[in-house]
Amino acid sequence: DTAVSQTPKYLVTQMGNDKSIKCEQNLGHDTMYWYKQDSKKFLKIMFSYNNKELIINETVPNRFSPKSPDKAHLNLHINSLELGDSAVYFCASGKQGSNQPQHFGDGTRLSIL
Amino acid sequence: SQQGEEDPQALSIQEGENATMNCSYKTSINNLQWYRQNSGRGLVHLILIRSNEREKHSGRLRVTLDTSKKSSSLLITASRAADTASYFCATDYYDGGTSYGKLTFGQGTILTVHP
Repeated sequence: DTAVSQTPKYLVTQMGNDKSIKCEQNLGHDTMYWYKQDSKKFLKIMFSYNNKELIINETVPNRFSPKSPDKAHLNLHINSLELGDSAVYFCASGKQGSNQPQHFGDGTRLSIL
Repeated sequence: SQQGEEDPQALSIQEGENATMNCSYKTSINNLQWYRQNSGRGLVHLILIRSNEREKHSGRLRVTLDTSKKSSSLLITASRAADTASYFCATDYYDGGTSYGKLTFGQGTILTVHP
């Protein structure tokens, strides 16, 4: 059973389009995260939700909007895609609080043409 | 914002040798974590060491933490070809308040183990 699953795995689209990435975890965790990994493999947190409440919101363009319909799901919607949005986006989940490991999905590779 | 730095950026060794990777960070932390990433996959948690711990072991992995020097090291003993991956340190920094698990990752060390 996949613990943290993301769909789609690959996303190729034109500049200016709107797209969504879905994430689901079956670990019973309260907290979910979105990370962006650039071409140099630098990984940076974008958002985090705890029990459907936004708790971390880094400096990210407002074209990116996370949505958490329930604590097992955290989706990422991106409007008006730009070339610089090309990256691998990772979803992760963890138990609430400090000193907890995070469990990552396999990523969604987004390529903007 | 805090950012970890890892050293070396790339490491190439023969199977059976030990591999040591280092990580430095800039501010006070709750804990430091090490993750592995195989090509095209997500990150896999390896080990977490709390700020009040100095050393931790898990199988062939040994992690040390020196909070006075703000540095950590990951040692993989008796390496195998399957250990070939990128290794990242991540810090959960302490700001005196509630931690929400906001991790700051280093740039990673690419480890290649030759059979």
